[in-house]
Amino acid sequence: AQKITQTQPGMFVQEKEAVTLDCTYDTSDQSYGLFWYKQPSSGEMIFLIYQGSYDEQNATEGRYSLNFQKARKSANLVISASQLGDSAMYFCAMREGETSGSRLTFGEGTQLTVNP
Amino acid sequence: EAQVTQNPRYLITVTGKKLTVTCSQNMNHEYMSWYRQDPGLGLRQIYYSMNVEVTDKGDVPEGYKVSRKEKRNFPLILESPSPNQTSLYFCASSLSNRVGQPQHFGDGTRLSIL
Repeated sequence: AQKITQTQPGMFVQEKEAVTLDCTYDTSDQSYGLFWYKQPSSGEMIFLIYQGSYDEQNATEGRYSLNFQKARKSANLVISASQLGDSAMYFCAMREGETSGSRLTFGEGTQLTVNP
Repeated sequence: EAQVTQNPRYLITVTGKKLTVTCSQNMNHEYMSWYRQDPGLGLRQIYYSMNVEVTDKGDVPEGYKVSRKEKRNFPLILESPSPNQTSLYFCASSLSNRVGQPQHFGDGTRLSIL
């Protein structure tokens, strides 16, 4: 089974509007971290936001917020007031297994295009 | 500025010619890792290191070597590169192996093996 599922290969949004990028995850660990990364066309991987499995409040970081629904195993990224520079590939990732590699497992990504 | 630095950014080389991709971080991070990104396969972990002299295999370690002699450096070595190692490579680091720590990535190395 896929550990991270992003069901939206591509999304389009108008400048200044909000957009939600979906992410569901699968783990049997009690302790895990959920992360969102942005990859512009230039290729670098930029960390955006983090949510811990024990956090009760949804994480926020500037225009980014994470809608965390633990029972549904979902961790959707909300970008408010979209800007042209937000056009990029967005990856949801999960970190688990502190004693067995503590690797990040990534979803397949969502290509976001912000239209003027 | 806190950063993870990879070199080179781009490399085209030939099959069998040993190469090293360097990775250095200036954040005093204990945990470092290498990933490769391929179309349709996403990002996969190659090797990781929890601290100096402590390294272990990730999901796709075949054909790669690493070393961690100093805390800041974690080079990736391809002893005999082959075309199937053509990929975008990322080095990443985090303060520790705790799952709540974000991994910070270098800018990536685009490697083409002819």
